[in-house]
Amino acid sequence: AQSVTQLGSHVSVSEGALVLLRCNYSSSVPPYLFWYVQYPNQGLQLLLKYTSAATLVKGINGFEAEFKKSETSFHLTKPSAHMSDAAEYFCAVSEGAQKLVFGQGTRLTINP
Amino acid sequence: DVKVTQSSRYLVKRTGEKVFLECVQDMDHENMFWYRQDPGLGLRLIYFSYDVKMKEKGDIPEGYSVSREKKERFSLILESASTNQTSMYLCASIVGGGAGELFFGEGSRLTVL
Repeated sequence: AQSVTQLGSHVSVSEGALVLLRCNYSSSVPPYLFWYVQYPNQGLQLLLKYTSAATLVKGINGFEAEFKKSETSFHLTKPSAHMSDAAEYFCAVSEGAQKLVFGQGTRLTINP
Repeated sequence: DVKVTQSSRYLVKRTGEKVFLECVQDMDHENMFWYRQDPGLGLRLIYFSYDVKMKEKGDIPEGYSVSREKKERFSLILESASTNQTSMYLCASIVGGGAGELFFGEGSRLTVL
């Protein structure tokens, strides 16, 4: 069965610093992998997705993620944090069916 | 733009009441989902539907049922609400297979007293 583990329920960085949110997955088949973001009082929206093309995936708002099969990881990064990046981030995996499995979420706080 | 609309953003109900959460999408998506979001647990799938009148249980269906009489509408029903169903409920839809983007509503925050 597929599953997702996000390391760290809360991450705090200074404005301008590197953002790194960690995600590890388990899947019996080559997966589809996603990062979603949830701003306060809103639903989730897609940041980026991996679908077996390039292993480095670029998303919206300057975020990117790298698929590493050997480490079963799909960590999310952004070189320079902005105050507007404060939100909750969810990693998710799909094995090709419509159903996604989500991680526990990581709340990102940006310090001025 | 795709829009998924959840009819109620905030609801307060009493234990034992019947609760209906309504979700409508405007992009002719075949697949619709109900998730429950709780702190530290992420999103957990309650039910999903591949087509009108079709439904399948997700990971936590106990205490819930669903209805999909029209393609654009997917309802979540709590037959007899309990305090442990206090949560944020998120509806989502997707046009096709597993690589597609899920479109979410803004959520319905339910408090059961």
